Amino acid sequence: AQSVAQPEDQVNVAEGNPLTVKCTYSVSGNPYLFWYVQYPNRGLQFLLKYITGDNLVKGSYGFEAEFNKSQTSFHLKKPSALVSDSALYFCAVRDGAGNTPLVFGKGTRLSVIA
Amino acid sequence: KAGVTQTPRYLIKTRGQQVTLSCSPISGHRSVSWYQQTPGQGLQFLFEYFSETQRNKGNFPGRFSGRQFSNSRSEMNVSTLELGDSALYLCASSSRLAGNTGELFFGEGSRLTVL
Repeated sequence: AQSVAQPEDQVNVAEGNPLTVKCTYSVSGNPYLFWYVQYPNRGLQFLLKYITGDNLVKGSYGFEAEFNKSQTSFHLKKPSALVSDSALYFCAVRDGAGNTPLVFGKGTRLSVIA
Repeated sequence: KAGVTQTPRYLIKTRGQQVTLSCSPISGHRSVSWYQQTPGQGLQFLFEYFSETQRNKGNFPGRFSGRQFSNSRSEMNVSTLELGDSALYLCASSSRLAGNTGELFFGEGSRLTVL
């Protein structure tokens, strides 16, 4: 069965500094990896995904993520954080080998301080 | 294009009651998934429907059930409510069966409080 781990419950970063939100995964087959963001009292919004190809994936709002197969990681990054990036971030994985649901991590709360 | 619509947005029930939540997917989407979100557990997968058939089911007790109609709208039902069922219930739709490369599109959720 697939699983996702987000080792940090909370990440604090100063505005203008680079940010990283960590994610590691476990699947049997090829991983399909996703990042979502949730703002207060809202549903989840899709940020980016990795299916195949280039290990560096670019997404919405200047975010990018790097797929690392050897470390089974898919960390979310942004070169310069904005206060408006403050939200709850979820990493998710689906096993590409079968018809399985999307499994989410427990989320990381990002706080960008002005 | 209208997004995923969930109703009601907020509701309060008491223990032992039952509740039905509704989800209208994005037009043309035939796959609907349901998730339970709680602060301690994150998002837990409940079930997934595609073309009126349940394709996947998470590890929830039988009190949790769902269905999908021919117009792709979906409902989930929770019977004999317990305090621990208090959560945000999220519905998501996608254009194909969720076991693929497509992303899910989420509604804003139905927040259930059980007293």
